[in-house]
Amino acid sequence: DAGITQSPRYKITETGRQVTLMCHQTWSHSYMFWYRQDLGHGLRLIYYSAAADITDKGEVPDGYVVSRSKTENFPLTLESATRSQTSVYFCASSSGSSNQPQHFGDGTRLSIL
Amino acid sequence: GQQLNQSPQSMFIQEGEDVSMNCTSSSIFNTWLWYKQDPGEGPVLLIALYKAGELTSNGRLTAQFGITRKDSFLNISASIPSDVGIYFCAGPRGSGAQKLVFGQGTRLTINP
Repeated sequence: DAGITQSPRYKITETGRQVTLMCHQTWSHSYMFWYRQDLGHGLRLIYYSAAADITDKGEVPDGYVVSRSKTENFPLTLESATRSQTSVYFCASSSGSSNQPQHFGDGTRLSIL
Repeated sequence: GQQLNQSPQSMFIQEGEDVSMNCTSSSIFNTWLWYKQDPGEGPVLLIALYKAGELTSNGRLTAQFGITRKDSFLNISASIPSDVGIYFCAGPRGSGAQKLVFGQGTRLTINP
């Protein structure tokens, strides 16, 4: 029972590079989410998706791109990484049914030099 | 926009002590969620509250949905070392029940 998995767990890259963080869930959940976690800010929503081919902006979407061609995958791309995007990124999924929680992956720690 | 303010930001306690933390907002929430994050892992839901005044327990954890709908409280009784972690409150953002806004977190450290 893999649940929700993120890859890579750790990534170091340079300013200006493109980097893609992967998220895969095995529950066939409709909803998927990307958050970033920074000291003093808790978790902030970057983008979310209600279903395949449906995505929408969250609280802090600038500098990020998402796609959802398949229900089980929700990759997050930084097209031109900046140092301010150094963070821990969490993917989550939920069925969308009332009273059903979001389940989180274990995160990707991204450092941009 | 909607913001959740958690207090305290950090706690240092002795094993066996009780813990209290709270979460407040300037906006009304219809749902309050409490998550715990262990080091190196993602948050895990502890308790969900759906009704003003509701008091819900999960083992040694008890959470309450404030009657004003603008606050919530989490208590941990007789703390043990595995309670160490960061505790987050969260609630639905705006009209989108699936979009959550999180508090800044309360970091709990326990001295054995």
